[in-house]
Amino acid sequence: GNSVTQMEGPVTLSEEAFLTINCTYTATGYPSLFWYVQYPGEGLQLLLKATKADDKGSNKGFEATYRKETTSFHLEKGSVQVSDSAVYFCALSDPYSSASKIIFGSGTRLSIRP
Amino acid sequence: DGGITQSPKYLFRKEGQNVTLSCEQNLNHDAMYWYRQDPGQGLRLIYYSQIVNDFQKGDIAEGYSVSREKKESFPLTVTSAQKNPTAFYLCASSEGRASNEQFFGPGTRLTVL
Repeated sequence: GNSVTQMEGPVTLSEEAFLTINCTYTATGYPSLFWYVQYPGEGLQLLLKATKADDKGSNKGFEATYRKETTSFHLEKGSVQVSDSAVYFCALSDPYSSASKIIFGSGTRLSIRP
Repeated sequence: DGGITQSPKYLFRKEGQNVTLSCEQNLNHDAMYWYRQDPGQGLRLIYYSQIVNDFQKGDIAEGYSVSREKKESFPLTVTSAQKNPTAFYLCASSEGRASNEQFFGPGTRLTVL
């Protein structure tokens, strides 16, 4: 079945460091791919998305490229800030679902030191 | 402002009691969803609804019930049959077509005393 695997956390970095959070997926067909972010005590917010191979999603300095050949959607940011501390979820939409069901990874907690 | 509201933010109940969590959206979305999140874990789908007066079980529906009498409302009842109900509950909505993202509410933290 469809699934998402992302790197386990926590990930701790210093401010201005380069960030990569790995995400790979298993799916039949051509799913859409998402990164969501969750700040403490809040719901999830969509960070970025890509709907087809080689698409690059970007937002707030974060980027991820839909790589069908490696079934990956790694999240990157060139220079992280303390305010980026949160839990990040990689996710995919079930391409055969008419209900826009989304499958989430287990989340990666990111902590940024000043 | 369009969005999803969940109430209350924090909820406490005694063992053996049913409790209902509210979820309202004014985005005119057809589809709505309920997820459960446990500490340090991802989201698990409880129930979802694609259209008014219709809903389907998700991966962990046992011990929960829902209704969808209005397009904007999708309340979740946590029954006494749910063995481990303490968790963070998230409601979401989407336009319902494949590849569309889901929009989330702020969540309700339920604690069973």
